[in-house]
Amino acid sequence: GAVVSQHPSWVICKSGTSVKIECRSLDFQATTMFWYRQFPKQSLMLMATSNEGSKATYEQGVEKDKFLINHASLTLSTLTVTSAHPEDSSFYICSAREGEGINGYTFGSGTRLTVV
Amino acid sequence: GQNIDQPTEMTATEGAIVQINCTYQTSGFNGLFWYQQHAGEAPTFLSYNVLDGLEEKGRFSSFLSRSKGYSYLLLKELQMKDSASYLCAFMDSNYQLIWGAGTKLIIKP
Repeated sequence: GAVVSQHPSWVICKSGTSVKIECRSLDFQATTMFWYRQFPKQSLMLMATSNEGSKATYEQGVEKDKFLINHASLTLSTLTVTSAHPEDSSFYICSAREGEGINGYTFGSGTRLTVV
Repeated sequence: GQNIDQPTEMTATEGAIVQINCTYQTSGFNGLFWYQQHAGEAPTFLSYNVLDGLEEKGRFSSFLSRSKGYSYLLLKELQMKDSASYLCAFMDSNYQLIWGAGTKLIIKP
């Protein structure tokens, strides 16, 4: 089945630094990748949708200059949290979809970010 | 508008059966998904319904009624490892998933 690899699994960084999270589709071409954030005991919140070769579409309330998304190839998307603050501490999950229409989403394993 | 609702938490006994309900409202609908999410892990796919009726897959079954905007996930022969959050999500007319808040299922011995 489809596999999405997400790295790192967890990261601790200091306030003010930047952190990059990678999401790779290993055995399929991900036309669209999605980035989610999940706070404890809450549901998934979609941050942005990215299509290969084009700018990401951010959900309302998500700062595009703070959460930089790059989808340079059909197998790789990155999320960079810039100038991280403690309130950015969360569980970040990517998911990828092959093709258009009704295709299942495959999730990465998630990244636990702690900003100290 | 769009919305989706499911209970926050449910408790069941090992070996028993539990039904987790999900109701939704949307103008564009391309199917309903159920995912399982263990604490600290990413969601894993359980089922997809786009037509009315019951889909059975081992111990898990999922039901959909499009006219009622209603789905349920049925878990049989509950095991302790089934303790997790169960997320329902519908796919809208733009093929985006709209997520429910998740139902935390607690299994007791």
